[in-house]
Amino acid sequence: AQSVTQLDSHVSVSEGTPVLLRCNYSSSYSPSLFWYVQHPNKGLQLLLKYTSAATLVKGINGFEAEFKKSETSFHLTKPSAHMSDAAEYFCVVSEGGSQGNLIFGKGTKLSVKP
Amino acid sequence: KAGVTQTPRYLIKTRGQQVTLSCSPISGHRSVSWYQQTPGQGLQFLFEYFSETQRNKGNFPGRFSGRQFSNSRSEMNVSTLELGDSALYLCASSFTGHSNQPQHFGDGTRLSIL
Repeated sequence: AQSVTQLDSHVSVSEGTPVLLRCNYSSSYSPSLFWYVQHPNKGLQLLLKYTSAATLVKGINGFEAEFKKSETSFHLTKPSAHMSDAAEYFCVVSEGGSQGNLIFGKGTKLSVKP
Repeated sequence: KAGVTQTPRYLIKTRGQQVTLSCSPISGHRSVSWYQQTPGQGLQFLFEYFSETQRNKGNFPGRFSGRQFSNSRSEMNVSTLELGDSALYLCASSFTGHSNQPQHFGDGTRLSIL
């Protein structure tokens, strides 16, 4: 059975410092992996996706994630945080087939201090 | 290109009533999925429709139902509302609904049950 664990429920960084949001997954097959961001009272916006191509995936707004099969991890990083990055981030895994198999992590709330 | 549109944005109902939520997907998208988001349970999959057929269903009681029209617009209905149904209901669309396709989310309908 597939599952997603976001290791931190809340991360706080200062503006201009690096961001690291951690995600571990469990999957029986080669998964598709996504990171989404949700700003208050908004829907989810896709940041990036991994679907078995390059293991380092670049997304929007300077975010990137590295798929590490040996560690079953898909951590999200950004070199320099901006105030507008403050939001909740969700790691999502899918094993294949249709989208009824999507599993969402519990989310990580990112705070950015000036 | 217009995004996913959900109406209404906010809704207040009382226990025992029923409610219908609407979702218009991105033009050309034929798969529509519905999710419930609560602080306690996070994001949970309700169901997915493709070409007017329910293709996948999550673990929710039969009070939760949906349908999809020939223009891919979808509605979700909840009957005999309970206090625990208070949540943000999100709709997402994609071209075919395959799990390796990113979903595009609407801003949601916030349902409050009094």
